[in-house]
Amino acid sequence: SQKIEQNSEALNIQEGKTATLTCNYTNYSPAYLQWYRQDPGRGPVFLLLIRENEKEKRKERLKVTFDTTLKQSLFHITASQPADSATYLCALGEAGTALIFGKGTTLSVSS
Amino acid sequence: EAGVAQSPRYKIIEKRQSVAFWCNPISGHATLYWYQQILGQGPKLLIQFQNNGVVDDSQLPKDRFSAERLKGVDSTLKIQPAKLEDSAVYLCASRQTSDAQFFGPGTRLTVL
Repeated sequence: SQKIEQNSEALNIQEGKTATLTCNYTNYSPAYLQWYRQDPGRGPVFLLLIRENEKEKRKERLKVTFDTTLKQSLFHITASQPADSATYLCALGEAGTALIFGKGTTLSVSS
Repeated sequence: EAGVAQSPRYKIIEKRQSVAFWCNPISGHATLYWYQQILGQGPKLLIQFQNNGVVDDSQLPKDRFSAERLKGVDSTLKIQPAKLEDSAVYLCASRQTSDAQFFGPGTRLTVL
């Protein structure tokens, strides 16, 4: 069956450290993968998109990798700050179909 | 640039009642989505419009849910009659030419 799994429901780290979130999928062939941030009571906000032929994408303190052999994407936040605390959603996009979202990982950054 | 607007933000109804949600996408965005997000889950697509035509409604429970997008701009999503399991946040999103979707704040529905 098709599955999208985000490593854990919650991740707690200290300020200044690098947060690494994992998104694994099975029985999908995504053309691209997106990461969104969602704060409580708000809609998701787009962060990054990476396509199947790209290995890595960066934006400021954010980095995404995409390994189609391992069927995995890693999302990194370097020099994390308490303001980075939120739920992070990965979403797969297959050609001609709608986005499929994972359940999300809630990141808490403590000062 | 104004974001995606949704109303109401909160709604509480009894089961078997009807409810409607409204969405105004970002100006010029041809693609509009309605998602259902149950607590602790990711958003699940209900329906996708391209202008005023339906692209994908395969996961819309058509016996009780309906949606329309008149004139290819605003959209409404209706539930009639509501069930307890419809309690969720209903998110509207729009997209222009890039693959990024822009979400509204959502409507939190509680069915008692």
